[in-house]
Amino acid sequence: DQQVKQNSPSLSVQEGRISILNCDYTNSMFDYFLWYKKYPAEGPTFLISISSIKDKNEDGRFTVFLNKSAKHLSLHIVPSQPGDSAVYFCAASYQTGANNLFFGTGTRLTVIP
Amino acid sequence: EAQVTQNPRYLITVTGKKLTVTCSQNMNHEYMSWYRQDPGLGLRQIYYSMNVEVTDKGDVPEGYKVSRKEKRNFPLILESPSPNQTSLYFCASRTQGPLRGAQYFGPGTRLLVL
Repeated sequence: DQQVKQNSPSLSVQEGRISILNCDYTNSMFDYFLWYKKYPAEGPTFLISISSIKDKNEDGRFTVFLNKSAKHLSLHIVPSQPGDSAVYFCAASYQTGANNLFFGTGTRLTVIP
Repeated sequence: EAQVTQNPRYLITVTGKKLTVTCSQNMNHEYMSWYRQDPGLGLRQIYYSMNVEVTDKGDVPEGYKVSRKEKRNFPLILESPSPNQTSLYFCASRTQGPLRGAQYFGPGTRLLVL
């Protein structure tokens, strides 16, 4: 059963506009969340993370928001650039124990020049 | 350069012919892991290792074996591959201390089992 869900398989955005990628999770014990970006023929690369003690984390053009009560997180990219076109995976984890990652199914973002 | 390497990058084999996919990291990470990526299913964990000689099953371990004899290497073994193991495989590593951080992924191995 998929514990981390990305319900939008794809998203297209004009260059310069905001991209919003969404992710939902079902396990309330998850307390650490990450976003990875993946280009074709490459492995996923870490983008940004957030701990459950926060509701927002920002790194340059990328901001992740966490709504624990709704079990929802989102990644905002502002402004979007053509180089941001990739598949984005949301992942969740526990801070303790093995700390394994549970991934969503990914959202393919296309930024149109 | 800090990296995770995998070999081979592409592999075509036949049902039942044993194969090994190698994974190596140069970051002295304690934790290593294998994932498979399939359309519509995202990345699913196969096996992981929290240190040398310590391995455990992930979500989809059936048909796979691993070993961790050295800290830097974590090979994935398919003793008798079947067509349903056709997939894209990723190895990953990270530190195991209090500040665990994110996992670093290798470039992937695309496997086709005929």
